[in-house]
Amino acid sequence: EVQLVESGGGLVQPGGSLRLSCAASGFSLSSCAMSWVRQAPGKGLEWVSGISGSVGTYYADSVKGRFTISRDKSTNTVYLQMSSLRAEDTAIYYCAKGKYSGDLSPVACWGQGTLVTVSS
Amino acid sequence: DIVMTQSPDSLAVSLGERATINCKSSQSVLNSSNNKNYLAWYQQKPGQPPKLLIYWASTRESGVPDRFSGSGSATDFTLTISSLQAEDVAVYYCQHYYTTAWAFGQGTKVEIK
Repeated sequence: EVQLVESGGGLVQPGGSLRLSCAASGFSLSSCAMSWVRQAPGKGLEWVSGISGSVGTYYADSVKGRFTISRDKSTNTVYLQMSSLRAEDTAIYYCAKGKYSGDLSPVACWGQGTLVTVSS
Repeated sequence: DIVMTQSPDSLAVSLGERATINCKSSQSVLNSSNNKNYLAWYQQKPGQPPKLLIYWASTRESGVPDRFSGSGSATDFTLTISSLQAEDVAVYYCQHYYTTAWAFGQGTKVEIK
């Protein structure tokens, strides 16, 4: 069974950093495109970042230069390193796996999410 | 970047009646090389992650009831719930995956009248 489990969320001060993890099971990350999608409290879904099955990484303009997505094939984990955090980054962060192996695919599997709160 | 706009923001429908949600993209999400629309619909219930309902604009995900259907092409799309059930109360989102910079619509909240 495909499963995604996020961790690493919490309370952080503005300007601080946090690293989110997404542990995958039931499939290999080696050839999968993965993404992070966030949802601010009471708001809609916002795509944040993606990493292709090969080497490409992609970012929303709102996080470009501040967030870095990466993958550790040995532990089957995807990471989102977040720095220079702002209040508007407060959200539940979901890890997402595409239905297909390519970059252009709908999301078939979502984690339960991890809450990031940026506040002093 | 492609912008997705849904309408209405919310709607209330009687049990057993039809619910229709529209989604418009700022540019075409139809790939002419394979004639596929890179458009998906998701359902999100409170406290849960989204769930994929429809992809390629009209293909129903496995296990999704056939009262859910998707239609449209290029820039204009529709999600229809043919006979609303109590368990369909949720927020529905459209999403394009035409480029690596995905975008979601703002969501449509469906309630029981």
